[in-house]
Amino acid sequence: AQSVAQPEDQVNVAEGNPLTVKCTYSVSGNPYLFWYVQYPNRGLQFLLKYITGDNLVKGSYGFEAEFNKSQTSFHLKKPSALVSDSALYFCAVRDIKASGTYKYIFGTGTRLKVLA
Amino acid sequence: DGGITQSPKYLFRKEGQNVTLSCEQNLNHDAMYWYRQDPGQGLRLIYYSQIVNDFQKGDIAEGYSVSREKKESFPLTVTSAQKNPTAFYLCASSLTSTYEQYFGPGTRLTVT
Repeated sequence: AQSVAQPEDQVNVAEGNPLTVKCTYSVSGNPYLFWYVQYPNRGLQFLLKYITGDNLVKGSYGFEAEFNKSQTSFHLKKPSALVSDSALYFCAVRDIKASGTYKYIFGTGTRLKVLA
Repeated sequence: DGGITQSPKYLFRKEGQNVTLSCEQNLNHDAMYWYRQDPGQGLRLIYYSQIVNDFQKGDIAEGYSVSREKKESFPLTVTSAQKNPTAFYLCASSLTSTYEQYFGPGTRLTVT
């Protein structure tokens, strides 16, 4: 079965330092991977996706993610964290059924706290 | 929150009452989804639909029902059979060709 794991419930980083939020996945076939961000009491916002191509994917707000097939990982990164990056981050994978229907499986989320 | 609207933002109901949550999108997206979010549990899929008049159960469909009579609308009914309905409900949509989901602002349902 397809699955996604976010091993850290919370990540703390100082403002200006690089940040990494980890995600590992288990899928059969080629993975379609996504990162979303959620601010308090709001819906999720799409950050970036990996479908095919370059392993380094660039997204919104200066975020990027590195797809690593051998380690089955898709970690979210940013070179210099801002206090406004503090939020809940979700990794997701697309799960395609034999019938052709598809759905998305989300990790449990990682709370990022950027300290001033 | 893109072109997806959910109403109302907050909803209060007494136990034993059915309640319907609205989700409308003007993005011309094919697929629509309902998720439930509880603290520390991430998002759990309730129902999803990829075409009009067709939908599939997600991981936690018991006690919920949906309809997809129009492409832009995917209302969710929380029935009295749902044992623990208090939660934050999120609706999303996606286009088959681009894959990423767009989420509405959510409805926080409290049942007492």
